[in-house]
Amino acid sequence: EVQLLESGGGLVQPGGSLRLSCAASGFTFTSYAMTWVRQAPGKGLDWVAGISGSGGTTLYADSVKGRFTVSRDKSKNTLYLQMDSLRVEDTAIYYCAKYTYGDDVMKGFDIWGQGTAVTVSS
Amino acid sequence: EIVLTQSPATLSLSPGERATLSCRASQSVSSYLAWYQQKSGQAPRLLIYDASNRATGIPARFSGSGSGTDFTLTISSLESEDFAVYYCQQSSNWPLTFGGGTKVEIK
Repeated sequence: EVQLLESGGGLVQPGGSLRLSCAASGFTFTSYAMTWVRQAPGKGLDWVAGISGSGGTTLYADSVKGRFTVSRDKSKNTLYLQMDSLRVEDTAIYYCAKYTYGDDVMKGFDIWGQGTAVTVSS
Repeated sequence: EIVLTQSPATLSLSPGERATLSCRASQSVSSYLAWYQQKSGQAPRLLIYDASNRATGIPARFSGSGSGTDFTLTISSLESEDFAVYYCQQSSNWPLTFGGGTKVEIK
């Protein structure tokens, strides 16, 4: 079964750091680009970052550029999101998702994790 | 950044009725538009990609149409499990963007 399982969320103070993980199973991890999408409480979906199957290409939303880093470890079949200089407005549920076809972003994201909650508050 | 505007914000319908949801882009996204369904407390689920292609396992009552700036998601006959929030998402330009969502609620 194709599955994504996020972990690493929690409560952190403004200016702090957190690293999210997304463990993948049931598919060839290196063959698919991956992405992070977040959802603030009661709000809609917000794309955060993406990474190619090889890990050689990364892209970020302007709101997180320079503060967040997406990476992947093929030996562990795991996607990461390192979040630094966190702000109150970063509070959200963070979902990892798999591209439907390889590195082709045009086909949407077909598998999503259950999400991990990040709360930034003093 | 491409802005996606979804309408209506809320659609109140009865089971068995037809639902028509709209998504309008601030500039052309060609056919690079996807639709997702999200139920309360759950992750989104891909319904449609490339504006009109159903994702794997999606029932035939869901259909998508449109190109350029105007898109429609149609649910031909609402089932009880279809009451949820629906989002459109464009992948024509970076950054990827989502619409604000349409909630389909039971009338």
